[in-house]
Amino acid sequence: GAVVSQHPSWVICKSGTSVKIECRSLDFQATTMFWYRQFPKQSLMLMATSNEGSKATYEQGVEKDKFLINHASLTLSTLTVTSAHPEDSSFYICSARGRGTPNQPQHFGDGTRLSIL
Amino acid sequence: AQSVTQPDIHITVSEGASLELRCNYSYGATPYLFWYVQSPGQGLQLLLKYFSGDTLVQGIKGFEAEFKRSQSSFNLRKPSVHWSDAAEYFCAVGARGTGGYQKVTFGIGTKLQVIP
Repeated sequence: GAVVSQHPSWVICKSGTSVKIECRSLDFQATTMFWYRQFPKQSLMLMATSNEGSKATYEQGVEKDKFLINHASLTLSTLTVTSAHPEDSSFYICSARGRGTPNQPQHFGDGTRLSIL
Repeated sequence: AQSVTQPDIHITVSEGASLELRCNYSYGATPYLFWYVQSPGQGLQLLLKYFSGDTLVQGIKGFEAEFKRSQSSFNLRKPSVHWSDAAEYFCAVGARGTGGYQKVTFGIGTKLQVIP
């Protein structure tokens, strides 16, 4: 089945640093990738949708200069949390949908737990 | 805009007992409906989905769900729960758009605890 790999699984870093999270589709071409944020005991909140080769579409309330998304290839999207602060600590999950499969579900990565000290 | 309500935040059932997790949605047309399961610290795994056709859909791990348009519901069921089913379950709705579904909205989740 379709596999989405997310890296790293867990990162702890100091306040003020930038953190990059990678999302890769391992066995299919992901024309659309989604980035979610999940707070403890809460649901997934869509942050942005990215289509390969174009700018990401951000949800209302998500700072695009804070959360930089790059979808440069059909197998890789990156989320960079710039100048991270403790309030950015959360569980970030990516998902991907393949080319020619608009009616197929998204395939999710295992998530990245980000802890900012 | 679509929305999803999962009224039960936490459910505890005995192993071997039947299970029903409730999900109600709000959407102006026939939606795309999904159930996902999430184990602690991990991503989401699709259990089943409804796009059209037969309103009773079968999924993996012995789960099924029934789409009831009149009740705007998509409840998840399993006849006999196993200890390994303990996890968090999310119902989700996708709005129809050109070329398939678009934005997917998730419910708040139902945490399932299974006791011996």
